[in-house]
Amino acid sequence: AQTVTQSQPEMSVQEAETVTLSCTYDTSESNYYLFWYKQPPSRQMILVIRQEAYKQQNATENRFSVNFQKAAKSFSLKISDSQLGDTAMYFCASPGGYSTLTFGKGTMLLVSP
Amino acid sequence: DTGVSQNPRHKITKRGQNVTFRCDPISEHNRLYWYRQTLGQGPEFLTYFQNEAQLEKSRLLSDRFSAERPKGSFSTLEIQRTEQGDSAMYLCASSLGQALMNTEAFFGQGTRLTVV
Repeated sequence: AQTVTQSQPEMSVQEAETVTLSCTYDTSESNYYLFWYKQPPSRQMILVIRQEAYKQQNATENRFSVNFQKAAKSFSLKISDSQLGDTAMYFCASPGGYSTLTFGKGTMLLVSP
Repeated sequence: DTGVSQNPRHKITKRGQNVTFRCDPISEHNRLYWYRQTLGQGPEFLTYFQNEAQLEKSRLLSDRFSAERPKGSFSTLEIQRTEQGDSAMYLCASSLGQALMNTEAFFGQGTRLTVV
């Protein structure tokens, strides 16, 4: 079974600080993408960042970056200079068979002033 | 609004009733996916379409669940004889060209179903 594990149900950080959300996954795919999606309260889920598994260089999107360790099947998300608007549920996703995605249970991130 | 639209946003129904949800994907997107999200869990894949063809439905939760995309545009998800365990958020997502595992998915805001 293809699984995604997010071991931190909740995390808190203050504005301007850096926080890292962890994720491990298991997939039988040989060439794949990994994703972090963000779901703000009562709003739709949006893509934060994605990583191509065959690329060794970690993906970066402005304040968001990943630490991708392919051998360990680890894919953590680092948010720098946290902002109040970063408060959301964050989901890690990996290939889930059927050409779709398997999501983790999510990490609720609360950014406080 | 050019995003993914889902209707209704909320639905309360009595146990045993049938419900139908609608999803309007981004107009040029040929792939459409349905997910279910229960409290404290991530989205769980149900089924998906490429144009009007339903390419995978084995993950639908039971034979009470069915989905259609008759003209390759909007899609409906129907739950017959609802049970309390069906209470959840039902999410729709669409993508262009590539499978969801390879490209960005655009999600709707979901339909929250409560079965009483």
